[in-house]
Amino acid sequence: DVKVTQSSRYLVKRTGEKVFLECVQDMDHENMFWYRQDPGLGLRLIYFSYDVKMKEKGDIPEGYSVSREKKERFSLILESASTNQTSMYLCASKLQGQGYGYTFGSGTRLTVV
Amino acid sequence: AQSVTQLGSHVSVSEGALVLLRCNYSSSVPPYLFWYVQYPNQGLQLLLKYTSAATLVKGINGFEAEFKKSETSFHLTKPSAHMSDAAEYFCAVLYSSASKIIFGSGTRLSIRP
Repeated sequence: DVKVTQSSRYLVKRTGEKVFLECVQDMDHENMFWYRQDPGLGLRLIYFSYDVKMKEKGDIPEGYSVSREKKERFSLILESASTNQTSMYLCASKLQGQGYGYTFGSGTRLTVV
Repeated sequence: AQSVTQLGSHVSVSEGALVLLRCNYSSSVPPYLFWYVQYPNQGLQLLLKYTSAATLVKGINGFEAEFKKSETSFHLTKPSAHMSDAAEYFCAVLYSSASKIIFGSGTRLSIRP
């Protein structure tokens, strides 16, 4: 089975801190994605990457950046954490091409205080 | 704009009753379609997917969905609800021109004893 592993299930950070959320997949998927999920707002795409060193902005990239130095790892960076970034963060990966669905990690629930 | 609509943010059924969760997509060209389930504090898990092989798709946990091109629908059903089916369900579409999956807003399914 494909596994997508997010480094932390729960994380508490202080306002202004730089926060790194890590995501690793083990099935050589080209595409990787970061979403945030908030009650009533569904899943919103923050950033995605089609391949190593490639990145594209999603629908809500402000306040975030990403890094994809290796194919298996896609990191989400909160440059200066704010309370409105308290959320559930979901990482996903998929094979390049049509018809393939996402495989999701278990999520990281981030609280910024 | 390409989109996917889930009718009903919350559906409640009795244990043993039929489950019907509705999903409509907006495109004249049949996309790839998915249903995901999310249990509390977990990531999303793929229930089933439609990739044009058959209009009736069977998934895990007794769920199935039928693709109806004339109605641009992909409703999820289960003949007899179980308490363990309580979760949030997301319909999602992948259009042929993109690698990003578009998610519906989700439907929370509650099961009454």
